Formats: sequence, C-alpha cells, structure tokens
Amino acid sequence: QLQLQESGPGLVKSSETLSLTCTVSGGSISSSSYYWDWIRQPPGKGLEWIGSIYYSGSTYYTPSLKSRVTISVDTSKNQFSLKLSSVTAADTAVYSCARRYYYGSGSEFDYWGQGTLVTVSS
Amino acid sequence: QPVLTQPPSSSASPGESARLTCTLPSDINVGSYNIYWYQQKPGSPPRYLLYYYSDSDKGQGSGVPSRFSGSKDASANTGILLISGLQSEDEADYYCMVWPSTALGVFGGGTKLTVL
Repeated sequence: QLQLQESGPGLVKSSETLSLTCTVSGGSISSSSYYWDWIRQPPGKGLEWIGSIYYSGSTYYTPSLKSRVTISVDTSKNQFSLKLSSVTAADTAVYSCARRYYYGSGSEFDYWGQGTLVTVSS
Repeated sequence: QPVLTQPPSSSASPGESARLTCTLPSDINVGSYNIYWYQQKPGSPPRYLLYYYSDSDKGQGSGVPSRFSGSKDASANTGILLISGLQSEDEADYYCMVWPSTALGVFGGGTKLTVL
C-alpha cells in the first residue's frame, strides 16, 4: 500500500522560506503515469493546488504562487520537496502531498499524505 | 487563474438526493473537460470520488458507491455531483476540480453538505 508522509517545521517566521518533504513508501516515485503534487488548505478554508513534479524533474506551478514556489524530487530517497519563499500569515495552512495519476485525458489524486500544519508567525 | 464556483453549503435529509454544483467560468467550456469530485471529512485528506466527462467517459473511484454519480449542465456551464440515497456518513465537504491544462489544476471553493 502506497503511503506518503509530509515532514518539516510546523512553524516558520514571516519572510522566511517554508520547506517540506514528502516521503513515499510502498511504491516508486519513478513510476511513469504519476505526478507528485503539493496541495494546501488554510484553516477552515478550501483546497488550493500548489504544483506538481514528474520524476524526471518537470514541474508545474499554480500562477499565483509561481514566483515563490520550488518543487524538487530526489528519486534516490523516494522523496519530493516543497519550498515556498517569503511567506506571510496568508501561507498558514495544512500542506499535503499527493500522488496524481495522469492518463492523458485526465488526472486524479489517488493517494494523499495526512497533511502537516505550517503556521507562519510574525 | 480560473475560479470554480461551488455553493458554500447544502443540506438534505437521509434517503433523499443531494445535487452539488460546480460552475466554471465562461471562458472554460464544461463540455471540454473532465470534472473531478473529492470528498473530505474533518481531519482527513480528501478522497477521490469520481470524474465525469460524458455518459460514455466517466470513472468511479475505488470503493466509491454507485449512488455517487456525475453529470453536466452545459447550458449553465456546470458540473454536477449527485448523491442519491443520502446517508449520515455522506456529511462532508465536497470539492470539484478541473485541469484546464496539464500544467494547471484548479479546485472549487467546496460545498459543506449537511445530512439533516
């Protein structure tokens, strides 16, 4: 059974960089047909897609965060990571990693991590 | 960045049907895209329910009951999630999602479904 687990600091100071890692177990991050994504959810609010990476290193980011986001992959460790720079209180959210199955005509998230709350403090 | 509009809340009684909507912006034709639906219960990650493109192109998530189904209203540029035979366990937040391109995913704002 595939499992994803987020890790990283739960508290980040305003203007600094948020860094999270997602460790994948029970399957290979290098599998074709899958993207590896980050999604966030501010407390009491809806889901926001942040971006995704393919094992080859190709990345896609949501336009509103593109200037501040970097997603990277380490296939040797079966991990992928998120960096969000210049954070503000508006970046406080539960950050989740997920596997996305891509089949040409569509794309769905089939496995999710439990999510980790990151609070931005002033 | 497109915005998918979902009513913030909806309610129905057990055994009834709930019709949840997801309206796409006018520059995105609902007929051209798969509409994905996710269910989220408090403290848990979202669960994939289904996607709907047409009656001949749709998919159900693993273990998702057939009483969850999708459709579209092209005249309203809207995707629809229909939940029939409502059960108390269906009380949750429901999110639609579209991929306007391979490089961009967009969630709706979510609908909180209350089973009365």
